[in-house]
Amino acid sequence: AQSVAQPEDQVNVAEGNPLTVKCTYSVSGNPYLFWYVQYPNRGLQFLLKYITGDNLVKGSYGFEAEFNKSQTSFHLKKPSALVSDSALYFCAVRDMRSGAGSYQLTFGKGTKLSVIP
Amino acid sequence: SQTIHQWPATLVQPVGSPLSLECTVEGTSNPNLYWYRQAAGRGLQLLFYSVGIGQISSEVPQNLSASRPQDRQFILSSKKLLLSDSGFYLCAWSVTVINEQFFGPGTRLTVL
Repeated sequence: AQSVAQPEDQVNVAEGNPLTVKCTYSVSGNPYLFWYVQYPNRGLQFLLKYITGDNLVKGSYGFEAEFNKSQTSFHLKKPSALVSDSALYFCAVRDMRSGAGSYQLTFGKGTKLSVIP
Repeated sequence: SQTIHQWPATLVQPVGSPLSLECTVEGTSNPNLYWYRQAAGRGLQLLFYSVGIGQISSEVPQNLSASRPQDRQFILSSKKLLLSDSGFYLCAWSVTVINEQFFGPGTRLTVL
């Protein structure tokens, strides 16, 4: 079974400060990991993914995430937060070991990021 | 480039009425297609997925059904809506099962 946890329901950060949104996962094999952002009443937008390779993944809008296998984490980061980054952020995981019949991408419950001017 | 459309954007329906939500994808062929429901602005629940025309898999038992009459068209239906069917319905597509999924703008369904 695969699962993902976002331990913080809400994160508040001042504009210009670095931000981190936390994500931990559990899979049997190796993980495919994704981050999405959702603005109010909108669909999810893909930010970045980790499949294999470098542990530091760079994505859209200046976001990056670091894959840490020993800590089973994939935290989302940005060096300098913008007010426009305020949104709901979702981490998602799929187990590479899942069979061909398994299409389940498991999402976390989301973290609401508020960037304060 | 690829785009994904959903309609209607919002829908208010009485309990017991039928439902039809439509999703179409442009700019790609033979996509994997997905229907999700998001309750209370948070977690996503996968309802159905499809790997090809006429091929539908259901993840959870419910009074909803899905169909894929054409390669890039995915329809979510119900014969009789329940109050618990209210929510935000999202359609998504991906190239393969390991690729990222791209989401449509969603349909806000309110069942009264």
